[in-house]
Amino acid sequence: DVKVTQSSRYLVKRTGEKVFLECVQDMDHENMFWYRQDPGLGLRLIYFSYDVKMKEKGDIPEGYSVSREKKERFSLILESASTNQTSMYLCASSLTLGWGRNTEAFFGQGTRLTVV
Amino acid sequence: DQQVKQNSPSLSVQEGRISILNCDYTNSMFDYFLWYKKYPAEGPTFLISISSIKDKNEDGRFTVFLNKSAKHLSLHIVPSQPGDSAVYFCAASANTGGFKTIFGAGTRLFVKA
Repeated sequence: DVKVTQSSRYLVKRTGEKVFLECVQDMDHENMFWYRQDPGLGLRLIYFSYDVKMKEKGDIPEGYSVSREKKERFSLILESASTNQTSMYLCASSLTLGWGRNTEAFFGQGTRLTVV
Repeated sequence: DQQVKQNSPSLSVQEGRISILNCDYTNSMFDYFLWYKKYPAEGPTFLISISSIKDKNEDGRFTVFLNKSAKHLSLHIVPSQPGDSAVYFCAASANTGGFKTIFGAGTRLFVKA
């Protein structure tokens, strides 16, 4: 079974802090993603990576950056946390990109971040 | 402007009956659709998918129907079980070069025993 592990289940940070969310997958997937989930908005893609050191912006990249130094690890960075970044953050990985079989994403358990 | 819409925030069904979860999309370029299930305090898990070359895909108690002309898909669960109580997300992607999967807002299903 694919396992995607996020380092924290709950985090509380102060406005202006730099925040790191870590994610590790154990199935040698090329592709990794960061989403945020907000009520009424579903899952929105922040960034994704299709290879080590490669990254692409998703729908809402503003205020975030990512790092992928190793294939199994994908980090989301909030450069200066703000209250509107309070949300559930979900990391995911997939075997292939785009269309069809093996594109389904495997998600971590989520990190609920509260910025005060 | 949401390209994938799940207009029912919640649905309540009696155990043993059929659950029908609906999803509408606006982008005619979408040609692959997925359903995910999410329990509280867990990440979403993939449930079933369908490509635009089909109008139905079945996997055990779960069937997804696609109506391309109406830009509508639905997930049927028969028979519904209390363990099916979860949030269901519809997602859509396009084979247009470059990755793009759009998720709906989700529908919370309650299956009453």
